[in-house]
Parts: sequence; structure tokens; C-alpha cells
Amino acid sequence: DGGITQSPKYLFRKEGQNVTLSCEQNLNHDAMYWYRQDPGQGLRLIYYSQIVNDFQKGDIAEGYSVSREKKESFPLTVTSAQKNPTAFYLCASRDRGHTEAFFGQGTRLTVV
Amino acid sequence: EDKVVQSPLSLVVHEGDTVTLNCSYEVTNFRSLLWYKQEKKAPTFLFMLTSSGIEKKSGRLSSILDKKEPFSILNITATQTGDSAVYLCAVDNFGNEKLTFGTGTRLTIIP
Repeated sequence: DGGITQSPKYLFRKEGQNVTLSCEQNLNHDAMYWYRQDPGQGLRLIYYSQIVNDFQKGDIAEGYSVSREKKESFPLTVTSAQKNPTAFYLCASRDRGHTEAFFGQGTRLTVV
Repeated sequence: EDKVVQSPLSLVVHEGDTVTLNCSYEVTNFRSLLWYKQEKKAPTFLFMLTSSGIEKKSGRLSSILDKKEPFSILNITATQTGDSAVYLCAVDNFGNEKLTFGTGTRLTIIP
């Protein structure tokens, strides 16, 4: 089945810890995106990547890091520098060019 | 910086009513505007609009784009409880592949 898989679905983190959210796609898409969604809010762009080994900061990149070593994988690390990390995180991918984005089911991160 | 503003932020209507959701935007290199529906977790794609004045339609949903203003509207006629969701609008920047979303409109349909 083609699609985007995010894991885990739920994640609890202690303050001061780094955590990594996984995003894998088998759609052969070039571009991948990470968004954050807070309750009652829209999607805010954290990082995005157009091709392997390249990525750009989005609108709220502070406290986050990413890598794109393989086309199918775009993991997001939430570092201890992120002051308010509790949120719902969505990963998306699409072909480069004029196409819609497909989303994973999301990871809900809670800091305890 | 690319920007998308949606209105209203939330809307409550009765089943059978018609609703209009608005999306205005600012983008440096416009390629397209996209509408998504988010019920629980993953947003699902509704429409992609690239040209002004050409209506896209799917069942009771339709959307149109005005690149001059610029804005888009999403219409839902004869609403049903299954239309209750957050509706998201996004703009696609041709220059850098950036996909910027708005705050969304939360639509609630009362039976």
C-alpha cells in the first residue's frame, strides 16, 4: 500500500529531552514537509525538503532539526530548545511541481 | 513571507444550510491554491485551483479562485453532519516549493 507512515502515534517526553518523530513515504515523492498543529489552529510549517540532502527552514524552525539522507525518510527531532513542544505533528509529501500534498496520520507529542 | 488568512475561524449551521468559507492570501510566486478537509488527523485533499474564474466542483462542494484580489471561496450546499470538519486552505509557492497553510475554518453542522 502506498502512503506516508508516521510513528509513533503518541509520544510522551520529559522536559529537557530530545525526541525524534519518524516519517516514511513509499510514494517516490521528492518533496517532504513537517507541520505543527496546536488545538484550534491551522498548520504551521517547521521544515521542508525538496530533494535528498537538502532542506529549508519553515516559519517556526527554532527548536527543531531535520535530516534527509534518503528520499523516503524525513525524521524530525524536537530538541530541548523548543519551549512549548506539546502539539500535533503532521508530515506530508508530494511530487515536485504542481501536485497536491499527501499527509500521514500524525504524531501527538506531549511533554510531561 | 507567504501568508494565508481564512475566515470565519468557526461556523455553526444547521443541516441543509449552504456555507461559504473564505481564503485570502499573499504569496511571492503563486502556483496554486489548495483546499483540504481535516476530520480527525490527516487532512484530505479537496481541490487545487490555478486559474481565476474557473469553478472546481465535486458533488455538493465547489470552489473558485480570484487571482486579482486575491482570494478563494469554498462553497458547500445542502450541508450534512458529515461535513463537520476543519477546512484548510494552502498556497503553493512556485519559487521554493513552500506550501503555506492558513488557520483553518472549523465547521460544525447541527442535525
